Amino acid sequence: GEQVEQLPSILRVQERSSASINCTYENSASNYFPWYKQEPGENPKLIIDIRSNMERKQIQGLIVLLDKKAKRFSLHITDTQPADSAMYFCAAQIASSSFSKLVFGQGTSLSVVP
Amino acid sequence: DPKIIQKPKYLVAVTGSEKILICEQYLGHNAMYWYRQSAKKPLEFMFSYSYQKLMDNQTASSRFQPQSSKKNHLDLQITALKPDDSATYFCASSQIGGKEQYFGPGTRLTVL
Repeated sequence: GEQVEQLPSILRVQERSSASINCTYENSASNYFPWYKQEPGENPKLIIDIRSNMERKQIQGLIVLLDKKAKRFSLHITDTQPADSAMYFCAAQIASSSFSKLVFGQGTSLSVVP
Repeated sequence: DPKIIQKPKYLVAVTGSEKILICEQYLGHNAMYWYRQSAKKPLEFMFSYSYQKLMDNQTASSRFQPQSSKKNHLDLQITALKPDDSATYFCASSQIGGKEQYFGPGTRLTVL
């Protein structure tokens, strides 16, 4: 299978707290896992990614963790701000070629409230 | 300066008609893709092209035909439009050997 499951679908957090989104994938040949942020009426924008040779990656307040054994990866947003409110999508890419498709999760609607 | 251009931004069509969605990228990438986003299926891969050659096709219907006249162009022709085709269509691109895919602004298609 190629499905990517993403939870939760809706997430509401207090400003300055952390937000966590979890994804699981089926295909053990997946080796690249990007995260996209999409604001209303806009295109998905790549915010962070992780490759299968890593377990953890951090860019400023964004942390991605990858557990290949469990086929699970997650995004953690620390010190959230209202500007972080958006849809977030995880995705997985299979290693077969450099132009392999991305298989996306169903998305998480994040609201950061003051 | 937008690096991936999609035209038009909004498109309204009648059932049974045919439309062409335009995509041009100026990132110097040599792989291009089409994805569809609707309320039913958030982001769904359709096609991938590299050097004007079809690499992968996950679209069941032959009504969707990608067309590549230049390396940095990948248009999408849709024939016999149906209301279910209503969605936002995103073009994306990447470098062969790289992994990151960047999305264009999208064309929002409504079929009446």
